[in-house]
Amino acid sequence: DTGVSQDPRHKITKRGQNVTFRCDPISEHNRLYWYRQTLGQGPEFLTYFQNEAQLEKSRLLSDRFSAERPKGSFSTLEIQRTEQGDSAMYLCASSLGSQGRYEQYFGPGTRLTVT
Amino acid sequence: GEDVEQSLFLSVREGDSSVINCTYTDSSSTYLYWYKQEPGAGLQLLTYIFSNMDMKQDQRLTVLLNKKDKHLSLRIADTQTGDSAIYFCAESRNGGFKTIFGAGTRLFVKA
Repeated sequence: DTGVSQDPRHKITKRGQNVTFRCDPISEHNRLYWYRQTLGQGPEFLTYFQNEAQLEKSRLLSDRFSAERPKGSFSTLEIQRTEQGDSAMYLCASSLGSQGRYEQYFGPGTRLTVT
Repeated sequence: GEDVEQSLFLSVREGDSSVINCTYTDSSSTYLYWYKQEPGAGLQLLTYIFSNMDMKQDQRLTVLLNKKDKHLSLRIADTQTGDSAIYFCAESRNGGFKTIFGAGTRLFVKA
């Protein structure tokens, strides 16, 4: 297994544009998480999926943010009308979520720069 | 409330032991984790411990948990220059879906 992958690794966009990121979790993992990380901080939880169901959303996830996991495999995170404050590293993680195995494995992240 | 705190920096000499400390506030935390992050990379899971344990050892890594004081530590034996990175402490409750991270401890290893 190749681990969690994310695409793109870097994205530069102008304020007001929409962006979409993709995450492919470890294949047998049924839980998928999105986090945001800004410089000098730890990851902040954004949202979580159990299979295709989005079960929890942080108050950090404004109306401009939407996440999907349509078939319970890969996930997308879309940010509409980007703002400079959206500039951050967006991390995806997955976990098995059963048999007591809740530890999360992270992808390399997508670094977003909004100019 | 939910909060995980770590000291920001630690500097050690190559070959010495490093001890990184963490405190958390949620007494219902069930799982506690240590992650390593190198520049420009995602987080690498180093080790984790369940709250019903007080110690876990994995090669050069030793995790100690004091549940009464809500204190977690990571000891790295024989620290190498390749251990230079940011180390994150994290906790989650039963079910493990929402994980709260500290701000990270930056470890500098001097040759």
